[in-house]
Amino acid sequence: QQQVKQSPQSLIVQKGGIPIINCAYENTAFDYFPWYQQFPGKGPALLIAIRPDVSEKKEGRFTISFNKSAKQFSLHIMDSQPGDSATYFCAASRTSYGKLTFGQGTILTVHP
Amino acid sequence: GAVVSQHPSRVICKSGTSVKIECRSLDFQATTMFWYRQFPKKSLMLMATSNEGSKATYEQGVEKDKFLINHASLTLSTLTVTSAHPEDSSFYICSATTARLAAAYNEQFFGPGTRLTVL
Repeated sequence: QQQVKQSPQSLIVQKGGIPIINCAYENTAFDYFPWYQQFPGKGPALLIAIRPDVSEKKEGRFTISFNKSAKQFSLHIMDSQPGDSATYFCAASRTSYGKLTFGQGTILTVHP
Repeated sequence: GAVVSQHPSRVICKSGTSVKIECRSLDFQATTMFWYRQFPKKSLMLMATSNEGSKATYEQGVEKDKFLINHASLTLSTLTVTSAHPEDSSFYICSATTARLAAAYNEQFFGPGTRLTVL
């Protein structure tokens, strides 16, 4: 019940494309859903996060869509650039608890 | 703001020796720090949760006698890998959080990671 399942494992798009990464969770107690970007040899950096009281959040080129009834959330990257090539992790936690449960990660490659 | 540093960034040690990794919150007081382990092309695996001034809480399957965690102040937590073996080689990442910065979001700020290689 603590798992967060992320797909796809890897994704290749052309510059300007809109990669979409999906995550699904089981634990209905989760109420914080962040996305992290990680470059090789670096720690993860928070991209954007959402709480279940909204269905969509946009920050710059990054958008989270959230479907509470389906227990799914996704990351869309608009106008993707080669510099967006990285590994993306979704995660979930309970506000009162703080531990993050991470998805398996998606390796995104954006070709010029 | 909300910067977390780790030292060293890379360390190579001989089998059987102990290695200490530091995690510091540079511009905020971290009430809670987390330690993760990451294998190549894999996700982050939570090892333990560390609250300032109290004993760390280890995740199931993590040997507390091998991975000693100390959170002696609100800006510093240390992870000591004792009697290291080649299978302990990994990327270790810490994160820090504080109720004052994160409000209700429990946002965690991650360090840059430490690459440990045990020969």
